[in-house]
Amino acid sequence: QQQVKQSPQSLIVQKGGISIINCAYENTAFDYFPWYQQFPGKGPALLIAIRPDVSEKKEGRFTISFNKSAKQFSLHIMDSQPGDSATYFCAANSSASKIIFGSGTRLSIRP
Amino acid sequence: AAGVIQSPRHLIKEKRETATLKCYPIPRHDTVYWYQQGPGQDPQFLISFYEKMQSDKGSIPDRFSAQQFSDYHSELNMSSLELGDSALYFCASSLQSSGYKDTQYFGPGTRLTVL
Repeated sequence: QQQVKQSPQSLIVQKGGISIINCAYENTAFDYFPWYQQFPGKGPALLIAIRPDVSEKKEGRFTISFNKSAKQFSLHIMDSQPGDSATYFCAANSSASKIIFGSGTRLSIRP
Repeated sequence: AAGVIQSPRHLIKEKRETATLKCYPIPRHDTVYWYQQGPGQDPQFLISFYEKMQSDKGSIPDRFSAQQFSDYHSELNMSSLELGDSALYFCASSLQSSGYKDTQYFGPGTRLTVL
């Protein structure tokens, strides 16, 4: 049973468009929600992270929106570029424990 | 900035052989995590160590063992290898004593192929 549910499985966005990836969780003990970007054959790279006491966090073109009551969070990539084409994983953990990953979204940005 | 180092980057073994994967965490990081990622899958947690003691255990087969040494590097030992062990193995590190204790930084991974 996937503790962190992620959608869509794959996403195609035109260059300059907005990419949106959604995640939901059940375990209310989770208190840290990172997003990782992974290129083929490479390790996951931390992109941006949020804690549940904040509803939104923005870093450059990347924004996390967090809805604690709905237990949902999402990643928005503004002005999407071909270099953003990668697999994105939402994740969650609590008390500095193991990371639980979502199933991943393969993002392709069309030139 | 220094990152997590893993060696070897690629490893090819035969069935029933043994393999040892090494992980060198970011300097001063005291916690190491091991994850396994199959093709097209998300990383799955195997085991973690804090200050050289096992801190958590996930879906790690009994054929696998790991430890963290006094210099904080860690080794994942895999015996009686099976075809299904073919995967990317990632090590991640974090600093428990900091305000960023939840943040885990991943290494480049070791690609293990079992023939």
